[in-house]
Amino acid sequence: DAGVIQSPRHEVTEMGQEVTLRCKPISGHNSLFWYRQTMMRGLELLIYFNNNVPIDDSGMPEDRFSAKMPNASFSTLKIQPSEPRDSAVYFCASSPRGVRGLAGGANTGELFFGEGSRLTVL
Amino acid sequence: GQNIDQPTEMTATEGAIVQINCTYQTSGFNGLFWYQQHAGEAPTFLSYNVLDGLEEKGRFSSFLSRSKGYSYLLLKELQMKDSASYLCATQMNTGFQKLVFGTGTRLLVSP
Repeated sequence: DAGVIQSPRHEVTEMGQEVTLRCKPISGHNSLFWYRQTMMRGLELLIYFNNNVPIDDSGMPEDRFSAKMPNASFSTLKIQPSEPRDSAVYFCASSPRGVRGLAGGANTGELFFGEGSRLTVL
Repeated sequence: GQNIDQPTEMTATEGAIVQINCTYQTSGFNGLFWYQQHAGEAPTFLSYNVLDGLEEKGRFSSFLSRSKGYSYLLLKELQMKDSASYLCATQMNTGFQKLVFGTGTRLLVSP
């Protein structure tokens, strides 16, 4: 089974440029999450979607960041304009569980992570 | 709000047992996850606790005390490949799935 697929795996760009990160969740998963990981702050939740609808974007740092999920199989995280402090690994994760209690079975709400996109802004 | 605390780094010897502690102060707590993350790789699921007590899965066990806001991950018969970061994450009961992660504990297993 294909896992969560992210692209690009690595991106190096200059300050001020637009960056777009892409994510394809696991088929059938109805929740999607964008996390950012740095040495100093660890894994921070930026935004998450349920059934393609943004539920909580309180972790998005500022207006330079935006995320979309136009359909169940694709999401983007955009940074415009990028700054050196945005350098981090950005992880996308999906979960088969949306509203708690409706998943049934042994579903714990586990997150399945992609391999991450390592962004360096010079 | 959420506040998750775990040691930054631990070292242990191959074949030994190590316990990684995690304390949390989380409003709307539902359950607790442990994830393993090798350097340069994605986090992968290890365990989930929603009730008090110990969950055992092979060499790894995880414990939760909801009243104390405390969990630990116990790794037995350590192997070199267990060198990784171990992330504690709290699950909210907001009605939608959401995990908040601690900064992780980097474990170094030496021969």
